[in-house]
Amino acid sequence: GEDVEQSLFLSVREGDSSVINCTYTDSSSTYLYWYKQEPGAGLQLLTYIFSNMDMKQDQRLTVLLNKKDKHLSLRIADTQTGDSAIYFCAETDTGRRALTFGSGTRLQVQP
Amino acid sequence: DVKVTQSSRYLVKRTGEKVFLECVQDMDHENMFWYRQDPGLGLRLIYFSYDVKMKEKGDIPEGYSVSREKKERFSLILESASTNQTSMYLCASNQGGSRETQYFGPGTRLLVL
Repeated sequence: GEDVEQSLFLSVREGDSSVINCTYTDSSSTYLYWYKQEPGAGLQLLTYIFSNMDMKQDQRLTVLLNKKDKHLSLRIADTQTGDSAIYFCAETDTGRRALTFGSGTRLQVQP
Repeated sequence: DVKVTQSSRYLVKRTGEKVFLECVQDMDHENMFWYRQDPGLGLRLIYFSYDVKMKEKGDIPEGYSVSREKKERFSLILESASTNQTSMYLCASNQGGSRETQYFGPGTRLLVL
C-alpha cells in the first residue's frame, strides 16, 4: 500500500530557514499536502501541490516536489517561535477518498 | 467557516467499556473520517463514510465500528475498550473527491485504564 515517511524531529533557531522533508512510495500520488498541528489542536491545511507542479510558493512557505525521487519538501523562511508545531505530509490520488499521512515532523524553534 | 466539533476533548474509560466518540460538521460535507494519532505513527485512518449509512474500512478498523445516521454526524464506537486504544482520535470532513481539503476537529484524547 501507500507509504509516506518523514523524519520525526527538527530543531532550528529563530530567523533561520526550516526544511521539512517527506518521501512517498505511490507513483500515482496526484495531490500532496502539508498540514500543521499546534499543541492541543487538530490539523490545519498549510499548503498543497499537485503532481504536475514542481514548486509552489505562498508567503514564507515554499513547497518543492521531485516526482522522480518521490520527494516533497516544505521550506519555512524566517522561522518564528509560532511555527513550532508538528508538520504532516499527506498524499492521495483521484482513485481514493482518503489521505495517507506521514508520521509527522516536530519542529522546535529555539529563540 | 467550516466547523468540525468533537463531543469531548478528554475521556477516561475502563477496559471493557463501550465508548462513543461523536463528531459533527456544519458544512453539509459528504465525506467524514476517523483517524487515530499516535506518536511516531502519524495519523492512521480507522473508518470513513462517503454518505449517510455508508462506510468503508480504513487501515486499522479492528476493534472499532462507526455509525452515520445523519449527514452531519459520524460516530466512532469502541465496542469493548482496551488499553491499546488509548490514543488521540481525530475526526475530519470534506466535500467531493480526495483532492478537496479535509477539515479537522480538535481531537479527543482517550485514556483507557
